Amino acid sequence: DTGVSQDPRHKITKRGQNVTFRCDPISEHNRLYWYRQTLGQGPEFLTYFQNEAQLEKSRLLSDRFSAERPKGSFSTLEIQRTEQGDSAMYLCASSPDRVGYNEQFFGPGTRLTVL
Amino acid sequence: AQSVAQPEDQVNVAEGNPLTVKCTYSVSGNPYLFWYVQYPNRGLQFLLKYITGDNLVKGSYGFEAEFNKSQTSFHLKKPSALVSDSALYFCAVRALGGDTGRRALTFGSGTRLQVQP
Repeated sequence: DTGVSQDPRHKITKRGQNVTFRCDPISEHNRLYWYRQTLGQGPEFLTYFQNEAQLEKSRLLSDRFSAERPKGSFSTLEIQRTEQGDSAMYLCASSPDRVGYNEQFFGPGTRLTVL
Repeated sequence: AQSVAQPEDQVNVAEGNPLTVKCTYSVSGNPYLFWYVQYPNRGLQFLLKYITGDNLVKGSYGFEAEFNKSQTSFHLKKPSALVSDSALYFCAVRALGGDTGRRALTFGSGTRLQVQP
């Protein structure tokens, strides 16, 4: 299966710890997105990369959050000094930069639980 | 700002009956509209999209959706529901054109579809 992959699938951490998630997009997809989904809600946009450039950031992305895509392939999302309110499913998606391809393809997500 | 409303938290339908899951949207300019489905412990799966052209869009697994510009709606439909269609369905919107840097999708809160045998 060559879909979007995310690692880890589950992460339990204590409040105040730092966590990092990884996303590997579909090969040759140069657009990559991060979303957050809390229970009972739809995904909320966090940030978007085109190749290695971070082109769009949501106001949800506080100073404690940072995302990178250093070589335009995989991406990492780091949360520093985690808070209980950070508990959520973190979803990664990718899409190609081709006319007519507007849908985003999602990975299985990383479920974060902050104790 | 763009937004999506899915007015029904849950839709119940008997197997073999037609189903409709409602979605209305608000966006500046013309919209890109999408439906995704989420099964337990799995990621979002793309079902169908409306970009331009025919108002009736056909997608995966026999689903279709009708774009209505005057009512700003994009309801998901299927002529005959299956028990295996039971899942969480999300409508999403993005504005067409504009700043090429803006590609964020705005999702609705989701509608749980329960198909009874």
